[in-house]
Amino acid sequence: GENVEQHPSTLSVQEGDSAVIKCTYSDSASNYFPWYKQELGKRPQLIIDIRSNVGEKKDQRIAVTLNKTAKHFSLHITETQPEDSAVYFCAATNRDDKIIFGKGTRLHILP
Amino acid sequence: DAGITQSPRHKVTETGTPVTLRCHQTENHRYMYWYRQDPGHGLRLIHYSYGVKDTDKGEVSDGYSVSRSKTEDFLLTLESATSSQTSVYFCAISESSSYEQYFGPGTRLTVT
Repeated sequence: GENVEQHPSTLSVQEGDSAVIKCTYSDSASNYFPWYKQELGKRPQLIIDIRSNVGEKKDQRIAVTLNKTAKHFSLHITETQPEDSAVYFCAATNRDDKIIFGKGTRLHILP
Repeated sequence: DAGITQSPRHKVTETGTPVTLRCHQTENHRYMYWYRQDPGHGLRLIHYSYGVKDTDKGEVSDGYSVSRSKTEDFLLTLESATSSQTSVYFCAISESSSYEQYFGPGTRLTVT
């Protein structure tokens, strides 16, 4: 079945530096790739998403890139701030249109 | 937050007892989902619904059943709870299958 691998599981970056989280997927029919942020004790919330007909999408300090040939996509956060500390989940739809989530990356922003 | 609520928010129950969790939405979204969240496993889909009385299994559906008799309500039932079903359960809604999902506040279930 569809599998979504997410790396790293934990990431610590200095405030102001950039953070990159990478995901790979197995189903070549996947066409929707959202990223969710979950703060401690809160519900997951969408921060950005990309569809298979687009290679890159940007929203202020957050960007997502998609490489369909290699079946991987990445989240880039620039100029990190303390409020970026959270768990981030990537996801991909499979050929049955079900969403499969990665296991998450815990991002720590160091002062 | 989108108009989505879950009840109860916390529950402690004993092994072997039936448990029903309720998800209620006021957004009239077609799709509704149940996930469980466990440390090291991320979010795993249990069941989802794409319309009234239309449901399908997710990746971890064993031991769970669902029902959707109205657009606004999606029920998750554990027929005979086991300790392995101790988890945080999230409901989510979306307009369509490949669109943003809005999550409920979660239900923390402990099976002793």
